[in-house]
Amino acid sequence: ETGVTQTPRHLVMGMTNKKSLKCEQHLGHNAMYWYKQSAKKPLELMFVYSLEERVENNSVPSRFSPECPNSSHLFLHLHTLQPEDSALYLCASSQAWGDPSYNEQFFGPGTRLTVL
Amino acid sequence: AQTVTQSQPEMSVQEAETVTLSCTYDTSESNYYLFWYKQPPSRQMILVIRQEAYKQQNATENRFSVNFQKAAKSFSLKISDSQLGDTAMYFCALSTGNQFYFGTGTSLTVIP
Repeated sequence: ETGVTQTPRHLVMGMTNKKSLKCEQHLGHNAMYWYKQSAKKPLELMFVYSLEERVENNSVPSRFSPECPNSSHLFLHLHTLQPEDSALYLCASSQAWGDPSYNEQFFGPGTRLTVL
Repeated sequence: AQTVTQSQPEMSVQEAETVTLSCTYDTSESNYYLFWYKQPPSRQMILVIRQEAYKQQNATENRFSVNFQKAAKSFSLKISDSQLGDTAMYFCALSTGNQFYFGTGTSLTVIP
């Protein structure tokens, strides 16, 4: 595997389900990110982890819960989601966080989430 | 507050022709980077080109070049000799170190 990988690629879940999205980066980067991509809207940065510590949480509802067990893996745990949470969830990584010369984003393919 | 604006939701261009995608941004930071990302249909988002704000020279990558007007806060992308594989969503992005801001994207279609 190379670059940034995400699983699953597609997920359909009910509003009462609990599921998790997984991201893995094979680039030796120190920062990882979750983004939400909805049609006709800018990408929304949800969470940022730098060296496994959460450094940004941009007013995301508590039904989204991130986890970063090490610098290569990032999870997004989902529970009691709403239909408006349906979107493409992108994971990204960068060399570092906090310096614009090092936070060029490398994206995974995304997980297409549908909440029924 | 930082913002990135892409005013062209959709564009099309004939194969082999040149097209320019517009982007304006706003930031009070002095140290920032600008990027263009490409997201082909159902495929991964990849970096097309990047520009460091303190460099006056416009970045180029093969058929892709930018027109960076710092005073006007404008950062347009020019694609020369357009190819069918250039069909994609193109996102302009601004990085100030602690945040990454994206525009709403321009959907480019290359017509054979």
